[in-house]
Amino acid sequence: GAGVSQSPRYKVAKRGQDVALRCDPISGHVSLFWYQQALGQGPEFLTYFQNEAQLDKSGLPSDRFFAERPEGSVSTLKIQRTQQEDSAVYLCASSSRGTYLDTGELFFGEGSRLTVL
Amino acid sequence: AQSVTQLGSHVSVSEGALVLLRCNYSSSVPPYLFWYVQYPNQGLQLLLKYTSAATLVKGINGFEAEFKKSETSFHLTKPSAHMSDAAEYFCAVSDGFGNEKLTFGTGTRLTIIP
Repeated sequence: GAGVSQSPRYKVAKRGQDVALRCDPISGHVSLFWYQQALGQGPEFLTYFQNEAQLDKSGLPSDRFFAERPEGSVSTLKIQRTQQEDSAVYLCASSSRGTYLDTGELFFGEGSRLTVL
Repeated sequence: AQSVTQLGSHVSVSEGALVLLRCNYSSSVPPYLFWYVQYPNQGLQLLLKYTSAATLVKGINGFEAEFKKSETSFHLTKPSAHMSDAAEYFCAVSDGFGNEKLTFGTGTRLTIIP
């Protein structure tokens, strides 16, 4: 497809399980962002990649959260020992340029909804 | 630190009436400001953006927003609401290059009354 693809769309995990969420950005896109959107809230920044380099991970809420983009394309967000407060929609976004602010061309995926029981 | 405040978590307007969704921002530098729309079970879609050019910005679907520095506001308007405008709307701010992450507001759910 032409858009940002995320999988799985829905994930139910038992507390303490590890989960991995995948993001396939638009082909050739340099920048990739992860956001966390809790129920009834706006998205909150987690981390940012430019190609394979993780330039900002200041939003990761704890050391249980880890993101990678080893070849500068697909990215994986991993959450270890999930807790109930991790329940949220995890959004991925990508942009064709290192700086999307002037073009506004930041494309979001539909998100992965994680429910931790 | 940058932040945005969206006044009114729920707004209802009649079809054909004016839509006004409020957003106030806080930023230590001239900001980049955005409005996004989110339909159920869909990703965020850009409506419009302000990047220090014209203060009145026109976006898609008939929406526009005006940047008012003196009021630190970036309110979203549409002259005549349509049923298809029912969605969640998010205002977002970025401090710019070198800090490109977006800080979003908590969102406003717009309901259109037939």
